[in-house]
Amino acid sequence: QKEVEQNSGPLSVPEGAIASLNCTYSDRGSQSFFWYRQYSGKSPELIMFIYSNGDKEDGRFTAQLNKASQYVSLLIRDSQPSDSATYLCAASYSGGGADGLTFGKGTHLIIQP
Amino acid sequence: EAQVTQNPRYLITVTGKKLTVTCSQNMNHEYMSWYRQDPGLGLRQIYYSMNVEVTDKGDVPEGYKVSRKEKRNFPLILESPSPNQTSLYFCASSPYTGVVAKNIQYFGAGTRLSVL
Repeated sequence: QKEVEQNSGPLSVPEGAIASLNCTYSDRGSQSFFWYRQYSGKSPELIMFIYSNGDKEDGRFTAQLNKASQYVSLLIRDSQPSDSATYLCAASYSGGGADGLTFGKGTHLIIQP
Repeated sequence: EAQVTQNPRYLITVTGKKLTVTCSQNMNHEYMSWYRQDPGLGLRQIYYSMNVEVTDKGDVPEGYKVSRKEKRNFPLILESPSPNQTSLYFCASSPYTGVVAKNIQYFGAGTRLSVL
């Protein structure tokens, strides 16, 4: 059973601080990991993805992957009220059965002005 | 404007009445996929398509059909809808078909379906 676990939150962070979103996955065969952002009533949109151990930075966002611990995180620096959304962590896998992403249930992030 | 268009956006129907949710993308993407999103369950893949006439089951295909006769269109068909198919449905597409890259997906605005 492929599972991706996230704390549903809400996670409340003051404006300007670092928001840290965490995700764990059960399938060691998962190859790459994706962070999607979903505003209330809207569709998911990709923020970034990572497939190598370590950090990957894109602007104010940093994704971190630790395959040994089966742990993925997303850091948002200098958090803005516009970052308030639900963040979906997803793991991809290939081979046998469904071919695509397994999504976590999402973490609801609130940036307090 | 590059986009994935779903229709209708909202639909209320009754049990057993066949319906089709259309999905069209204007980006010449090869990979397309359907998801449903339910509270407490997250997004789950229903079906996907790697190209024209190539479709396959996702995690929750029961009660659904799809077709891919043209590259741009990927309709989702519910032949005999039941109340447990009440959900928010998203169509997505990707310009890539690689193992990792196909998961870089662009989502439509969603279709909220209620089956009474």
